[in-house]
Amino acid sequence: DAKTTQPPSMDCAEGRAANLPCNHSTISGNEYVYWYRQIHSQGPQYIIHGLKNNETNEMASLIITEDRKSSTLILPHATLRDTAVYYCIVRVVNTGNQFYFGTGTSLTVIP
Amino acid sequence: GAGVSQSPSNKVTEKGKDVELRCDPISGHTALYWYRQRLGQGLEFLIYFQGNSAPDKSGLPSDRFSAERTGESVSTLTIQRTQQEDSAVYLCASSSDRGRGYTFGSGTRLTVV
Repeated sequence: DAKTTQPPSMDCAEGRAANLPCNHSTISGNEYVYWYRQIHSQGPQYIIHGLKNNETNEMASLIITEDRKSSTLILPHATLRDTAVYYCIVRVVNTGNQFYFGTGTSLTVIP
Repeated sequence: GAGVSQSPSNKVTEKGKDVELRCDPISGHTALYWYRQRLGQGLEFLIYFQGNSAPDKSGLPSDRFSAERTGESVSTLTIQRTQQEDSAVYLCASSSDRGRGYTFGSGTRLTVV
């Protein structure tokens, strides 16, 4: 699986959009981009995933660049409960391979 | 159940003792994964089960670590002769649709004293 690069930490004002970047310059054509988050003392939680088209669900939006070498997770209206570590992972779907979790981005939402 | 259940939620054990950690996956989920997370660090893959196939044990750190799963049911992670460096949160995840991702349990916090 391709490696990803994320900033170690970010702050965001409550109510504003949080934009979390991820670089995955070595991504392969059959690898998807996944985002998880881990709130303190809990297991990681699935947020969203995509291949090349932008995706949106009830939690977030995922913007993938045309060359697929980077992506951005957008939390449109950040709340204090969104404070967590956010992991960007690339992985081939329908393989037995595990998810490789890096160190992620620690997002702090500030009141 | 509604989610992945792990037990115990906390375990304190003496160095050298054996421990068993249990994971109840979501009913019908064919894939089950164990991860370890040391304090302040990322997740380390330990082992993966998929149906009745041979498990992927490539992440197990030593022969003191083993895991079992019967079919698509409960899994047990066993750590023999525990060491202080085994102290961590052990997380279990299961999945039926690999495309969507995993559902994680809340983990077992293991402290070796």
